[in-house]
Amino acid sequence: AQTVTQSQPEMSVQEAETVTLSCTYDTSESDYYLFWYKQPPSRQMILVIRQEAYKQQNATENRFSVNFQKAAKSFSLKISDSQLGDAAMYFCAYRSLAGDNYGQNFVFGPGTRLSVLP
Amino acid sequence: DTGVSQNPRHKITKRGQNVTFRCDPISEHNRLYWYRQTLGQGPEFLTYFQNEAQLEKSRLLSDRFSAERPKGSFSTLEIQRTEQGDSAMYLCASTSYGSYTFGSGTRLTVV
Repeated sequence: AQTVTQSQPEMSVQEAETVTLSCTYDTSESDYYLFWYKQPPSRQMILVIRQEAYKQQNATENRFSVNFQKAAKSFSLKISDSQLGDAAMYFCAYRSLAGDNYGQNFVFGPGTRLSVLP
Repeated sequence: DTGVSQNPRHKITKRGQNVTFRCDPISEHNRLYWYRQTLGQGPEFLTYFQNEAQLEKSRLLSDRFSAERPKGSFSTLEIQRTEQGDSAMYLCASTSYGSYTFGSGTRLTVV
């Protein structure tokens, strides 16, 4: 079974600075998706960024980018120019592509609570 | 239809009562998932529908839990004889392929 680990329960960053959130995962599969989701106090999980394992190029979405190291099974999220609205819980998630149904669920990490200091 | 809708947002119930939650997915999404999230933890998979067929259930889903998705549209999650350990956020997500879209969840408190 796949597992996802986020070793930083809490992080803080000064507004306009850069912060990196760590994620490692364990799998024997070669093809899968990795995601970062944000969950603000409003509770809705919002997709931040997605990475297909077969792609070597790191995904980027505006101020958000990832460092995907497939051999090391590492998937960190970098937030540049941090804004107050970035404060939230961030969850790293793994989705298997095995099987006819392309996997049937996500495996989430325990989350990292990010605070943004004005 | 701009997202996944879950009702109610909050539910407080006495131990032993039955509760039912509803999820309305994005209309073109054929896959629907239920997750449970306890405080300070990531969501844990409960069950999954493809159209109206329930294809997988987690071991977390005890006999007191049942989910349906009639006609492959909205879904309901029922918990019978609630226990204090059932207190959690229940999240619904839908997808057709790739990324999930989550609802805002139903927070259940069993007193």
